[in-house]
Amino acid sequence: DAGVTQSPTHLIKTRGQQVTLRCSPISGHKSVSWYQQVLGQGPQFIFQYYEKEERGRGNFPDRFSARQFPNYSSELNVNALLLGDSALYLCASSFYTSGEQFFGPGTRLTVL
Amino acid sequence: DQQVKQNSPSLSVQEGRISILNCDYTNSMFDYFLWYKKYPAEGPTFLISISSIKDKNEDGRFTVFLNKSAKHLSLHIVPSQPGDSAVYFCAARNSGGGADGLTFGKGTHLIIQP
Repeated sequence: DAGVTQSPTHLIKTRGQQVTLRCSPISGHKSVSWYQQVLGQGPQFIFQYYEKEERGRGNFPDRFSARQFPNYSSELNVNALLLGDSALYLCASSFYTSGEQFFGPGTRLTVL
Repeated sequence: DQQVKQNSPSLSVQEGRISILNCDYTNSMFDYFLWYKKYPAEGPTFLISISSIKDKNEDGRFTVFLNKSAKHLSLHIVPSQPGDSAVYFCAARNSGGGADGLTFGKGTHLIIQP
């Protein structure tokens, strides 16, 4: 069975630009969560979606937004990129909002 | 403020011995705890979890202990193997808080020496 997939693997952007990251959950999983991991820290919760609705949001500015599609895949958008947005962005899927979360390999975003 | 703390950035253990990774939390609303293992250039891999209604959960070489009064949990790996060398993250969830996102510690880098 395919695990959680994310694209692209790596991305380089400049300050002020916008970026879209993509995630496909494990087949049958209806919940997708997004996390940001900066160097030396643990992942930080950004969003959780279930059945195409936002179910939770972490402490991130409005520049961060996301959505979930009918096939349960998801996109994370970040506008007006700052240098501090450079991080590994992780997507995790689960059957329900409260189930064990299984992570993808992440997208490494570098903002110059 | 860090609600989940892993105070040991790294831990070195000899192959075959027991590895004990510790985690403390401050939020008494956390009711579910998980351990993840992470290799470089990969996403975290789920290892084992424990509900707050239990004090121990075992899965093969991995055992997690929860001490709710001390707000402390630990992961025991017995026996330690070279493939266990990785960064281990402790995570917690507050199921009643609306958002079911996980709160992670900073991780402990476990090094298994031959």
